Amino acid sequence: GAGVSQSPRYKVAKRGQDVALRCDPISGHVSLFWYQQALGQGPEFLTYFQNEAQLDKSGLPSDRFFAERPEGSVSTLKIQRTQQEDSAVYLCASSRRDSPSGRAGEQYFGPGTRLTVT
Amino acid sequence: DQQVKQNSPSLSVQEGRISILNCDYTNSMFDYFLWYKKYPAEGPTFLISISSIKDKNEDGRFTVFLNKSAKHLSLHIVPSQPGDSAVYFCAVTLSNFGNEKLTFGTGTRLTIIP
Repeated sequence: GAGVSQSPRYKVAKRGQDVALRCDPISGHVSLFWYQQALGQGPEFLTYFQNEAQLDKSGLPSDRFFAERPEGSVSTLKIQRTQQEDSAVYLCASSRRDSPSGRAGEQYFGPGTRLTVT
Repeated sequence: DQQVKQNSPSLSVQEGRISILNCDYTNSMFDYFLWYKKYPAEGPTFLISISSIKDKNEDGRFTVFLNKSAKHLSLHIVPSQPGDSAVYFCAVTLSNFGNEKLTFGTGTRLTIIP
């Protein structure tokens, strides 16, 4: 079946603009994660959803970052009033770990959205 | 403070030889350790993992070793193949049936020389 998809793949925003990044997880995956990967770094956790419930948002860097998953499938990460330090690749991952067949920590990543703030 | 460290940003290995990638972590509460592989313009893909109750896990050409007392993890690839050229990330997590958020290292770029 299809993997995790993300759109857009590339986004250029002027400083101060709002952006919305979309994630389509693998069908049936209950868990959904967002990560931020700065240049030369590993991905860093932003937030976690179990179905439509956002159970962990401890990694969101500021209140300009907001994520939702209203129907427990597609998720959107919104960044308001973008700043240059928001430039990064935003990765979405889904997991079937809620079922016994899933392996701990095994997540399926999308290709990411590269956000550049000018 | 970096909880997961990969001290070698890059590594070059001849095709057919063994590649050894290393990772250190600081917090002994983590109980699952993973390696992800990443090609350019793609997301990371799961490669292999190990639970804290084991010290070795093999999957074909890939073996992960865990030394809990040293808080050290390594990935061995043998024999190395050109398709193994990628960035490898070490990651750690706390296992549960839900929020298994991953903490990643900074990655090691592996280049296999034909």
